Amino acid sequence: RKEVEQDPGPFNVPEGATVAFNCTYSNSASQSFFWYRQDCRKEPKLLMSVYSSGNEDGRFTAQLNRASQYISLLIRDSKLSDSATYLCVVTGQGGKLIFGQGTELSVKP
Amino acid sequence: DAGVIQSPRHEVTEMGQEVTLRCKPISGHNSLFWYRQTMMRGLELLIYFNNNVPIDDSGMPEDRFSAKMPNASFSTLKIQPSEPRDSAVYFCASRGTSGRGSGELFFGEGSRLTVL
Repeated sequence: RKEVEQDPGPFNVPEGATVAFNCTYSNSASQSFFWYRQDCRKEPKLLMSVYSSGNEDGRFTAQLNRASQYISLLIRDSKLSDSATYLCVVTGQGGKLIFGQGTELSVKP
Repeated sequence: DAGVIQSPRHEVTEMGQEVTLRCKPISGHNSLFWYRQTMMRGLELLIYFNNNVPIDDSGMPEDRFSAKMPNASFSTLKIQPSEPRDSAVYFCASRGTSGRGSGELFFGEGSRLTVL
């Protein structure tokens, strides 16, 4: 089993749609969680951290469920510019950051 | 701040040749990571350093791969001899100390390696 698993993509949605990505992790001792965004042929960049109580940043909402070892990212009112690959990231043993395979999102006009 | 700087950006080489990838982390960051990204396997952690010391190299594929960090401002990832299956984008990333959990990881633009 992979340490971090994400929804298989791609997700093709129209502008204005709400889309949710899910991610599960295997190490119950993981302490920190993040969502990164990667545009085509570019480097990954931090989108947002995920806090235990859940957190929101504009149109983006991240949730963490430690009991189920599950993280989610919700994007409301999706824009064309949201098209990218979204990577779930979890800390592993020793603080290393482990990336999921990524979920590709394509927002269409 | 110049960010994480990697070189070369692109390299095309023949099987059996030695490849050296270079990375300059963000000044003041004390952790450095080498990742490899392919379509099939996504982003894989190869090795990471804290304060120039290798902490976990369990992701290094085999003995053909080696990484060094002789000082806080420079790291290399070497492949010798290279094979076609090593073709990938190699990312270097650095991170500073954080107050809450792990700090943000900053990536370089990557080195795209093609081994013929």
